[in-house]
Amino acid sequence: GESVGLHLPTLSVQEGDNSIINCAYSNSASDYFIWYKQESGKGPQFIIDIRSNMDKRQGQRVTVLLNKTVKHLSLQIAATQPGDSAVYFCAENKGSGYALNFGKGTSLLVTP
Amino acid sequence: GAVVSQHPSWVICKSGTSVKIECRSLDFQATTMFWYRQFPKQSLMLMATSNEGSKATYEQGVEKDKFLINHASLTLSTLTVTSAHPEDSSFYICSARTGVGDEQFFGPGTRLTVL
Repeated sequence: GESVGLHLPTLSVQEGDNSIINCAYSNSASDYFIWYKQESGKGPQFIIDIRSNMDKRQGQRVTVLLNKTVKHLSLQIAATQPGDSAVYFCAENKGSGYALNFGKGTSLLVTP
Repeated sequence: GAVVSQHPSWVICKSGTSVKIECRSLDFQATTMFWYRQFPKQSLMLMATSNEGSKATYEQGVEKDKFLINHASLTLSTLTVTSAHPEDSSFYICSARTGVGDEQFFGPGTRLTVL
């Protein structure tokens, strides 16, 4: 049978489409949020961050939206490419000390 | 800039032995380093926070006597898994802060397999 926690949510998109990956965070006191991309067997790679005094921030092909009312974070990737296939994690600062609390992760699969 | 390396990238050991993993900041001084553990298909879980020259702060449920952390210099932190057992098999990842801003820079990870 299946074990809880061993299956990441998967988002499958076609190359060229836009992707939206969502994340719910837990700590209402968090003031710094980051999205990371992790390819198999590698460490997390920084994508984009946002502070709690903002609700939107844009980078190259990526946009992060923050809704503090419902404690929700999203990552939008425009014109998704096969190289975007990876697991994406949101992270929030744990408060003092700068340690991060990572979300469960979403596996993004881009099909040609 | 802001490159973090880990050594070894993978290690296989027998049950009961100890394994040391190194985390180095290559082009900056890291005031704080963090150690995370990641099991397959799961998220990163913080194990401990390490400040140079002081004792590490461990997260709840992480045995400090089993996972020894040393942060003797501003560019090197080590994690020693003592008396390793198969359940310690995991992907161990470190990160480092420069002390300016909030961003952490992650290492490439170390795959530990305990037989």
